[in-house]
Amino acid sequence: DVKVTQSSRYLVKRTGEKVFLECVQDMDHENMFWYRQDPGLGLRLIYFSYDVKMKEKGDIPEGYSVSREKKERFSLILESASTNQTSMYLCASSRDRVSNQPQHFGDGTRLSIL
Amino acid sequence: AQSVTQLDSQVPVFEEAPVELRCNYSSSVSVYLFWYVQYPNQGLQLLLKYLSGSTLVKGINGFEAEFNKSQTSFHLRKPSVHISDTAEYFCAVTPSGGYNKLIFGAGTRLAVHP
Repeated sequence: DVKVTQSSRYLVKRTGEKVFLECVQDMDHENMFWYRQDPGLGLRLIYFSYDVKMKEKGDIPEGYSVSREKKERFSLILESASTNQTSMYLCASSRDRVSNQPQHFGDGTRLSIL
Repeated sequence: AQSVTQLDSQVPVFEEAPVELRCNYSSSVSVYLFWYVQYPNQGLQLLLKYLSGSTLVKGINGFEAEFNKSQTSFHLRKPSVHISDTAEYFCAVTPSGGYNKLIFGAGTRLAVHP
């Protein structure tokens, strides 16, 4: 089974801090994704990556950046955290670019910005 | 562009009753369709997917969904629910032949009562 591991289940940070959310997958998947989940809005794509050192903006990239230095690891960075970035963050991976491939999700990081 | 509408934000139901969770999509191109389930404090798990062929798709845990192209719908059904089916359910769509990028609905919270 594919395992997608997010480094923290819960995180509390202060406004203005630089925040790193880490995600690792163990199945040699090409694609990795970061979503944010908010009640009533479903999942919204922040950034995705289809290869090492490659990244593409999703639907809501403002205030975020990403890093993919190794194939198995995809990091989400909040450059200067703000209270409106309090949310659940979900990482996912999929085998390749073919659109019929299912995405496999981590258990999420619930981030609170105070 | 594609969009997904889940018509019910919450569905309460008694145990052993049937349930239908409704999903409509909008797209100018052909699409692949997915249903994911999120149990409390967990990530998303794939329930089933429609790629092509038979319009009735069977998934895990006794769920099934029917693709209706003329009505642009992909409703999820289960003939008899259990308490353990209490979760949030997400419908998602991606253009077939395109990139592996999902657009999610807002989610439907299914609450099964004894």
